[in-house]
Formats: sequence, structure tokens, C-alpha cells
Amino acid sequence: AQSVTQLGSHVSVSEGALVLLRCNYSSSVPPYLFWYVQYPNQGLQLLLKYTTGATLVKGINGFEAEFKKSETSFHLTKPSAHMSDAAEYFCAVGFGGYQKVTFGIGTKLQVIP
Amino acid sequence: DADVTQTPRNRITKTGKRIMLECSQTKGHDRMYWYRQDPGLGLRLIYYSFDVKDINKGEISDGYSVSRQAQAKFSLSLESAIPNQTALYFCATSEPPNTGELFFGEGSRLTVL
Repeated sequence: AQSVTQLGSHVSVSEGALVLLRCNYSSSVPPYLFWYVQYPNQGLQLLLKYTTGATLVKGINGFEAEFKKSETSFHLTKPSAHMSDAAEYFCAVGFGGYQKVTFGIGTKLQVIP
Repeated sequence: DADVTQTPRNRITKTGKRIMLECSQTKGHDRMYWYRQDPGLGLRLIYYSFDVKDINKGEISDGYSVSRQAQAKFSLSLESAIPNQTALYFCATSEPPNTGELFFGEGSRLTVL
């Protein structure tokens, strides 16, 4: 079975500060890992993904995440928060050949001017 | 126009009523999914379909049914709606080779009184 834990359902940062959203996963096989973003009144869109290869992945809007197998983590970071980053972020895990993707509970990011 | 379109976007209904949520996609993907989003619970999979002849239950299928009318259309039905089915429902698609990347509609907000 696979699962995802997102630490912190709400995170507040100041504009210009580092954004760090935490995600830990469990999976019995090598995972595929995702971060999705949901803006108000919209569906989810893919921010970035890790499947194989380079463990540091870059996504849209300046976000990146690093797959750390030893820590079973896939934390999302952005060096400098922008007001437009305010949204809900979901970490998700799946794996190749299997159709089910498991989502975390989400982290709402608030950016303070 | 959106690649994944859900109708209706908002619906208020009463307990015991039958409700259908519709999803159509222009992405040409074979795989379609219905998820439910609740605050603090993230997204949970209701049903998924690999193709027109293949439909599978997800983790919370009780009280729901689906119909895959064509490659592009996947409908979710609540035969007799109850208040705890009040939620935001998302349709999503994916394509092989399956990495788990999902493409979401904008959601259908259902309120059952």
C-alpha cells in the first residue's frame, strides 16, 4: 500500500521568504511522486513530478522538489514566495503500470505581504 | 476551452434525489477518473475507467455509480443523494505510459441538503 503525509495543513510565509512544504511517502515499490497546485475555484494542475533519473526536479513558477529515498521525502521549495503562490498544494504518490494515485491532505499556503 | 469539462459546476439538491455529474474530455485519453475532495481529507478516488469497457471501483465507491458512454465521456451518478456526499468532485484523465500524471477538470461542487 502507498500513502502520503503532508506536514502542516496551513503554512504562512512572508512575501520574498523561502517556501518549504513537506511531504513524506510510503511505498512498497519505487514511487512516482507529484506536486499539484490548486488555485481558488480551479482544478488541480501539475506543478512537478519525479519518475526516474535526477532526484532534483524543477517545476513551473520557480518551484522545485528533491526526491530523497533514504528519508522517503519529496519536499517542495521555492526560494522567494510571491503573492500569486497562495494556493493549496497536494503531494501525491503513484507508480508505473498502476492506475491509482494517492494524494495527501493538502497544504494551504498563505503569503503575507 | 478546457480540455476536461465538468457539468454542472455547482449544484444544490435535496436528500434522496438522483444526481448526475458529467465529464467530457478532448485530450484523447483512454483513462478517466472521478475524485472527491473534502477539506482535511485531500482527494479520494471514487471510480476509474481504463477504457469504455473497463470500470473499476476506487476507495470510496459506495453510494456512487458511473457510466463510460464513450472514450471522451465519463459520468458519475448519486442514485439517492445524502448530506455526507456534499463535496467538490473532480474528473481527471491520464494517458499511458502511465506515470500517474493526471489532468483535472475544474470541479463540480455538490451540496446535498
